[in-house]
Amino acid sequence: KQEVTQIPAALSVPEGENLVLNCSFTDSAIYNLQWFRQDPGKGLTSLLLIQSSQREQTSGRLNASLDKSSGRSTLYIAASQPGDSATYLCAVMSNYGQNFVFGPGTRLSVLP
Amino acid sequence: DGGITQSPKYLFRKEGQNVTLSCEQNLNHDAMYWYRQDPGQGLRLIYYSQIVNDFQKGDIAEGYSVSREKKESFPLTVTSAQKNPTAFYLCASSIESEKGAENFGPGTRLTVL
Repeated sequence: KQEVTQIPAALSVPEGENLVLNCSFTDSAIYNLQWFRQDPGKGLTSLLLIQSSQREQTSGRLNASLDKSSGRSTLYIAASQPGDSATYLCAVMSNYGQNFVFGPGTRLSVLP
Repeated sequence: DGGITQSPKYLFRKEGQNVTLSCEQNLNHDAMYWYRQDPGQGLRLIYYSQIVNDFQKGDIAEGYSVSREKKESFPLTVTSAQKNPTAFYLCASSIESEKGAENFGPGTRLTVL
């Protein structure tokens, strides 16, 4: 059974710093991996979707990488801003599954 | 605008009462999902439906029921058998052919008093 973990659980950084969020999964037979952002009390917003054949995806200040063999993905945020403060969720779709398996999330606070 | 709507945003119920959460989508998506989110935990799948009049249990289906009579609607009933129903509930939908490309609704926060 696929299990997804995220480190750290919470992170607080000053504005302008570059930061890395980590996601690990136990079964490398994945179809794709997706990073989501969730603001308090809100639904999920998709940030980046990486297909199993891809190594990374980029959108603006965000870059997500995927290493299936080691069961890891990282989300890199460049030049962080207070508006980046949110919870970031990693989700994995397995080859044999029909739905995402989510990690517990990393709660990010970017201080002005 | 196309999207997923969930209502109500906040819901309060007394212990022992059944309650139904609404989820509607106008994206013409075949598949719909219900997730539950608890503090400090990831989303957990309750039920999903890939086609009208068909649905499957997810990882934590006990104490919940669903129906899929129309393509655009997938209501979730939280029954009195659910031992700890207070949580944030999220509905999602996707095109069946685009596995993993799920769109999420804004969520309903259910509090059982």
